[in-house]
Formats: sequence, structure tokens, C-alpha cells
Amino acid sequence: QSALTQPASVSGSPGQSITISCTGTNSDVGAYNYVSWYQYHPGNAPKLMIYDVTNRPSGVPDRFSGSKSGNTASLTISGLQGEDEADYYCSSFTTSSTLVFGGGTKLTVL
Amino acid sequence: QVQLQQWGAGLLKPSETLSLTCATYGGSFTDYYWTWIRQSPGKGLEWIGEINYTGNTNYNPSLESRVTMSVDRSKNQFSLKLRSVTAADTAIYYCARPRGLGATAFGYWGQGTPVTVSS
Repeated sequence: QSALTQPASVSGSPGQSITISCTGTNSDVGAYNYVSWYQYHPGNAPKLMIYDVTNRPSGVPDRFSGSKSGNTASLTISGLQGEDEADYYCSSFTTSSTLVFGGGTKLTVL
Repeated sequence: QVQLQQWGAGLLKPSETLSLTCATYGGSFTDYYWTWIRQSPGKGLEWIGEINYTGNTNYNPSLESRVTMSVDRSKNQFSLKLRSVTAADTAIYYCARPRGLGATAFGYWGQGTPVTVSS
């Protein structure tokens, strides 16, 4: 299985909005609404930010939102804050009953 | 409160076998598939595979030939073995549990075990 495709890096200034894309295929992202997003700070375990494309776990700010169109899912962070600086990974369930992650995107808050 | 605590050897030589165990506390052990994920600087997060309480497994096809997962139902623990390791297996290894029944998103994670493969 091939990793989902994410941009290597994105950046934005405090208060701005950014969007991270996650492109897969008809066998993963496009097949189900089982896309998740994780925030990763090196040294810490990944933190679930979005599940099932659009849902936020309790405690995750509503500045984080998810969407999907066809084989591409997206994570949008509005009102960027310095604490949002991290690596972000998407994941998707696949038609082979496995899970595949994206390559990760480094978010820099300028 | 669900907690996962993991342990295992952190320094291996090429060709050796990586062995990690994850103990689960709180919640049901029988309702979920228990998962191993690793994070390496070069490849990001990688799903290694999952196992349920009956021993039914799903593995990443790229690792399947070298991976074995097992469960100890009496201790609510599950384990990972990865054979014939190379430097490419150097990573932080995490155990994880889905956030809910039937979920594919991981809401609970172990603390991570750094594993280095070096001669």
C-alpha cells in the first residue's frame, strides 16, 4: 500500500487559516469516510484531532475542521496559534482492511 | 480511564528480533483491535498492524513477512515481534487503541518506545 500524499510543509501567520491536503485513491480515502488527522509533536504520542473526516474529539478546538472530496481529504486550521506548530498526519482505512498514513506535513507558524 | 503502557528493548543489532509488549488498563480488552504504529524521521507514521483478543490479525503488507503479533488475554497485553531488523526499522514504536467500538481512529496511545538498530 502506498502512503497518502501530503505536502511536506505549510506555513501561516497567527490568526490566518491554513489547509493541509491528503490525497489517496479509490481504495482508501475515496472508499470510506474513515479519514483521521493527528497532530504530532516529537517526543509525544500523536494526538487525534479529527476522525471520520469531519468529527472532532472532545477537547479539540473548533478551529480544527476536516472535509473530503473524492480521493482528497483536507484539514483546515483557522485562527492559527503558535501552539498549532507541529507535524500533521492523515490516515485512512483501506479496502484491504488495513490502515495507511500520509507522509506528514510540517506546519510552521510564522 | 484507558491507559496503555509499553516496554521492550531499545537497542538492537541488524538481523536481531525486535520485541515489544503493551499492557492495557481500563476499558474492555475484548472489544477492540489493538494496534502497533511506528514513527521514523524518514517515513513518518507507519501502521504496522493490529490484533484482537482472539488473535485475529491484519498486517501492513510491506512488513507482513517479518511481523508477528500476539495477545495474552489473562494479562490484557499484546505484543509485537519484528524479525531481521535493519537500520530502516529504527523508529519510535507506539501501541494504540481505537477511540471507540468499530472506530479506525486512535484515541489512546502508549508512551512510545524508541528503538535503534545499529551494529
